[in-house]
Amino acid sequence: GAVVSQHPSWVICKSGTSVKIECRSLDFQATTMFWYRQFPKQSLMLMATSNEGSKATYEQGVEKDKFLINHASLTLSTLTVTSAHPEDSSFYICSASMYSNQPQHFGDGTRLSIL
Amino acid sequence: GNSVTQMEGPVTLSEEAFLTINCTYTATGYPSLFWYVQYPGEGLQLLLKATKADDKGSNKGFEATYRKETTSFHLEKGSVQVSDSAVYFCALSGPADSNYQLIWGAGTKLIIKP
Repeated sequence: GAVVSQHPSWVICKSGTSVKIECRSLDFQATTMFWYRQFPKQSLMLMATSNEGSKATYEQGVEKDKFLINHASLTLSTLTVTSAHPEDSSFYICSASMYSNQPQHFGDGTRLSIL
Repeated sequence: GNSVTQMEGPVTLSEEAFLTINCTYTATGYPSLFWYVQYPGEGLQLLLKATKADDKGSNKGFEATYRKETTSFHLEKGSVQVSDSAVYFCALSGPADSNYQLIWGAGTKLIIKP
């Protein structure tokens, strides 16, 4: 149980395009979803926390206009990297929890490469 | 604020060796403690957890005991296998009224040689 699916697993695109990453909770309803970014050989950096039906809460230093997060349903959250540039290339990981005080379950991550 | 400190890697061991990866934490109140594992090119999987002092989390031969007196949660395994090669992250989360945000250690890369 508690499966989180992230799609796509790998995407390569040209600089200036926008990329959407989906995070779905397959067998539970996720009140809260988290988006992380991981640079090579480094730990996870929390980008934002989203609660279903509310605006996402972004961590300090994360541009909300650059990284658009939508959590419109209890099973789906999306992260859109707008006008992506090579410095946005990274491994993005989402996680979901049933309630805000419950453990997080992680997706397999999306490797984003911007040429 | 809350923080997690892990031993630096990489840790390189031979198959069947004993493993210890140290993790210490700083936190207010009574956090929950976790070990996550990340295999190459994949996301994170919860390996084990402990929610109160003296609890022992265990899974797949790995163990960690929540030691409040030493603020530690060291990961151990008696006999490692090549398939255990991965990056291991220690993490903590705050009290139940928080948003269950995880505070992460830097990760320790484990390399097991046959």
